[in-house]
Amino acid sequence: QKEVEQNSGPLSVPEGAIASLNCTYSDRGSQSFFWYRQYSGKSPELIMFIYSNGDKEDGRFTAQLNKASQYVSLLIRDSQPSDSATYLCAVNTQGGSEKLVFGKGTKLTVNP
Amino acid sequence: GAGVSQSPRYKVAKRGQDVALRCDPISGHVSLFWYQQALGQGPEFLTYFQNEAQLDKSGLPSDRFFAERPEGSVSTLKIQRTQQEDSAVYLCASSPYTLTGHADTQYFGPGTRLTVL
Repeated sequence: QKEVEQNSGPLSVPEGAIASLNCTYSDRGSQSFFWYRQYSGKSPELIMFIYSNGDKEDGRFTAQLNKASQYVSLLIRDSQPSDSATYLCAVNTQGGSEKLVFGKGTKLTVNP
Repeated sequence: GAGVSQSPRYKVAKRGQDVALRCDPISGHVSLFWYQQALGQGPEFLTYFQNEAQLDKSGLPSDRFFAERPEGSVSTLKIQRTQQEDSAVYLCASSPYTLTGHADTQYFGPGTRLTVL
């Protein structure tokens, strides 16, 4: 079982809709969770991080964390065509290393 | 300020050649990471430095892969006797070390696309 699982998609939503991206992780001791956006041919760029259970909002983006269910999600409100990209979920596992374990990514397409 | 820079951006190597990939982290960032990203996959961890100390090299796929950061700033990832399966994008990331008890945000460079023929 891969440590971080994401639906690879593609996920297609119309402009203005809410896009919901989901991620599950296997290491119950994980403490830090990140969402990165990666445009085709570019490197990952940070959207949000979340450490505590609950919701964290930043503009049109909301990250949700449920450690009991080992689940983290990203909601994008009022989706724009410029949001079309691959979204990577990354988790810092316990054990002292600062490394991140990434999911495979979910490809999102926002249709005008 | 300047972000993470990597060079070269593209590298084509013949199978069996040695390659060296360079990473310049954000100034003042203590931690430096190397990841390998195959097409259609998420980045896979290779190795991690804190200053000049290589604290985790558990992701290096074989002894052909070697990384160093001798002065705690610039890092080099070296791949000896390259194989076709080494073809991938090699990403470098850096982060500060803030002792918050949580993992610090990692900032990625543009990557080096390695193609082994």
